[in-house]
Amino acid sequence: GAVVSQHPSWVICKSGTSVKIECRSLDFQATTMFWYRQFPKQSLMLMATSNEGSKATYEQGVEKDKFLINHASLTLSTLTVTSAHPEDSSFYICSASNTNQPQHFGDGTRLSIL
Amino acid sequence: GQNIDQPTEMTATEGAIVQINCTYQTSGFNGLFWYQQHAGEAPTFLSYNVLDGLEEKGRFSSFLSRSKGYSYLLLKELQMKDSASYLCAVSDKAAGNKLTFGGGTRVLVKP
Repeated sequence: GAVVSQHPSWVICKSGTSVKIECRSLDFQATTMFWYRQFPKQSLMLMATSNEGSKATYEQGVEKDKFLINHASLTLSTLTVTSAHPEDSSFYICSASNTNQPQHFGDGTRLSIL
Repeated sequence: GQNIDQPTEMTATEGAIVQINCTYQTSGFNGLFWYQQHAGEAPTFLSYNVLDGLEEKGRFSSFLSRSKGYSYLLLKELQMKDSASYLCAVSDKAAGNKLTFGGGTRVLVKP
């Protein structure tokens, strides 16, 4: 099946640090990548949709200046959490798709801000 | 907007069958997905329905009725490893084919 790799899997850092998360589709070209956030015992909440070569579309309530998304190639998208604070601690998950593939998820990144 | 409803939790015995229902309301339906998510892990794709009827894949089957806005995921011959959350998600053409997820159903398989 389709493989999506997400890195790092776990980040612990101090408040005020910026954190970059990478999402790669390893065996298909992902025209669209999605970034989700999931709090404990809750479902996935879509943060933004990213199409290769264009600006990301953010969901209502998601600050685009805080969560910077870049989708420069058909196999890589990055999410940077700028000046992270404890309330940004969460499980961040990316997914990738194209017209022939349903969304396949990366393994997720557990972010803990101290 | 979209409303997706599924039960919060279900318990079943190893070897039994469990059916997880999902109802939805959407303006531009473009497919319904089921994902499995074990605690602390990312979701994994199980099934996709865009036409009415039953799709069978081994021990897992998924059914869709577009006119009723209804789907179910059927898990047969339950195994302990099937204990997980099962997420129903709907793709909406009007929303650029984004997926909107239900709250998930936690299935606990007991010996």
